[in-house]
Amino acid sequence: SQTIHQWPATLVQPVGSPLSLECTVEGTSNPNLYWYRQAAGRGLQLLFYSVGIGQISSEVPQNLSASRPQDRQFILSSKKLLLSDSGFYLCAWVRGWDRDISNTGELFFGEGSRLTVL
Amino acid sequence: SQQGEEDPQALSIQEGENATMNCSYKTSINNLQWYRQNSGRGLVHLILIRSNEREKHSGRLRVTLDTSKKSSSLLITASRAADTASYFCATDARNDYKLSFGAGTTVTVRA
Repeated sequence: SQTIHQWPATLVQPVGSPLSLECTVEGTSNPNLYWYRQAAGRGLQLLFYSVGIGQISSEVPQNLSASRPQDRQFILSSKKLLLSDSGFYLCAWVRGWDRDISNTGELFFGEGSRLTVL
Repeated sequence: SQQGEEDPQALSIQEGENATMNCSYKTSINNLQWYRQNSGRGLVHLILIRSNEREKHSGRLRVTLDTSKKSSSLLITASRAADTASYFCATDARNDYKLSFGAGTTVTVRA
């Protein structure tokens, strides 16, 4: 069976500090991977997505970056956090056979990482 | 940018009643999906309806899609306290790998 792991679950960071959130998927190959951010009581904002190793598409210009060093690993980073980076970060994947560009299938989400920047 | 917009933003109903929420979107889509999120958790997929389908059922869920009006509705019948959650629609615009989510409808089912 496929699983997705996201960590850390919670973190509190000072303004200006670096950030690294990690997401790994098990039990599948060549998934599409996604990072979303959810502000309190709001919908999901797509930050980055990746269709393969080293391939990153950025949706929103900001001080965050993403990397995909391995097929099933997706990392969200920042060199210097801002107060506005606070939020709930969700990693998600789409199965390899369900990732047709003309028809994106079901997303499987991790449990999220809650970031508070002080 | 958010493609889908849910309505209402919040809904409070008595256990056993039906809950209906709507989603409107702006551009042509390949499919529309509904997700559920319990407080502080990740989202869970509920149902997917393709652009050539008009209605779909899954257990107590009924989804409709009207592509001419660019709208969808999610009906939860005979609601239970455990249905308390936020519900989001997500649209898959053509020729990209992205799903765009709306702001969600928060449903509270009172026992």
